[in-house]
Amino acid sequence: GAGVSQSPSNKVTEKGKDVELRCDPISGHTALYWYRQSLGQGLEFLIYFQGNSAPDKSGLPSDRFSAERTGGSVSTLTIQRTQQEDSAVYLCASSFGQALSYEQYFGPGTRLTVT
Amino acid sequence: QQQVKQSPQSLIVQKGGISIINCAYENTAFDYFPWYQQFPGKGPALLIAIRPDVSEKKEGRFTISFNKSAKQFSLHIMDSQPGDSATYFCAATIYNFNKFYFGSGTKLNVKP
Repeated sequence: GAGVSQSPSNKVTEKGKDVELRCDPISGHTALYWYRQSLGQGLEFLIYFQGNSAPDKSGLPSDRFSAERTGGSVSTLTIQRTQQEDSAVYLCASSFGQALSYEQYFGPGTRLTVT
Repeated sequence: QQQVKQSPQSLIVQKGGISIINCAYENTAFDYFPWYQQFPGKGPALLIAIRPDVSEKKEGRFTISFNKSAKQFSLHIMDSQPGDSATYFCAATIYNFNKFYFGSGTKLNVKP
């Protein structure tokens, strides 16, 4: 029973290194979101993909962050030259379409620790 | 600028009691207000949601109360159970818009 899956579940990296986080959405879901959850904070919107439309990147905190979605399915969030303030849980969510019409299903997240 | 403010940060309730979590927003264009429940190690899951055309929505032991004039909404958990112990997030968005704004979360602990 495939929910949203994310890998790795945990990632420890050294400051300055690049990391890639992967999200496998639920089959058939056309919308995909990335969020960042810092300790004691809510979910911070990063980026949104809808079908073949240009992604909404308005939440990306800096140009070190980028994301792509291949074939309308799997998505990769890349953080270049990681900084300690990038340490957080990165959550991916998918839905059938516009978020308001359909529930967002979240993955378990990737916990990123930058040392 | 935080679009949605949530309180309290943490809450301890005895089993059988009522848990109340409050959220306030500034943007009057918001017109969809969901609540999410998150257990440790899991992603958030939609619990209940409300549109501003109603003042209350109830699903089982969970109720959202909405006050449009005060720009506030709250989650009430009746007959709280230890299994309700989780972190709860409120959120707000504009219809047909991509971006959800989340509160900072409330960690609920229901004591047996």
